[in-house]
Amino acid sequence: DADVTQTPRNRITKTGKRIMLECSQTKGHDRMYWYRQDPGLGLRLIYYSFDVKDINKGEISDGYSVSRQAQAKFSLSLESAIPNQTALYFCATSDRGYRQETQYFGPGTRLLVL
Amino acid sequence: QKEVEQDPGPLSVPEGAIVSLNCTYSNSAFQYFMWYRQYSRKGPELLMYTYSSGNKEDGRFTAQVDKSSKYISLFIRDSQPSDSATYLCAMIKTSYDKVIFGPGTSLSVIP
Repeated sequence: DADVTQTPRNRITKTGKRIMLECSQTKGHDRMYWYRQDPGLGLRLIYYSFDVKDINKGEISDGYSVSRQAQAKFSLSLESAIPNQTALYFCATSDRGYRQETQYFGPGTRLLVL
Repeated sequence: QKEVEQDPGPLSVPEGAIVSLNCTYSNSAFQYFMWYRQYSRKGPELLMYTYSSGNKEDGRFTAQVDKSSKYISLFIRDSQPSDSATYLCAMIKTSYDKVIFGPGTSLSVIP
């Protein structure tokens, strides 16, 4: 089984709808991240969490919220989806301390907002 | 100016060629440098990791860091069709900081 899983893998929604993307990991890592990937822009950090009680905004957090339900679970919500949130979304994890730079990514969620 | 810049390609080479992928960056505080490989419809995976300036070799892959020029490179020798992927450079200032990714270079190795 994959160490980092994301559900759903694909989602089509309409403008104004609230949706949630979920991420689970079995690596036992403390740190979890949500990125979005757009052509030409690469990976941009939305939110990150260094432990269950720690939530931090990334460079593009507007329009998004997150919830860290447990060490292994980190959810991303789009409160009111808009078309420019159409993108590929990745969850990632990393270990605490000196190897934080090694991130382990899930398979991604492809989101289309109509 | 973006913190990390990378030629998006696409880059197309024949099998067996030597491939050079490059990134430039603007912040001299970056100390750790990584290359991630991303196959189509997959998440990125770490390929190489280096700390500070110098070279690191792993099989057919060599990562090179020149901090004085703020320039990092990934060389792939004897390229194979299985190397066809998008390669993202990434860097970080300290182990407690956020990783900054380049936009990625798309590589196709033609049999």
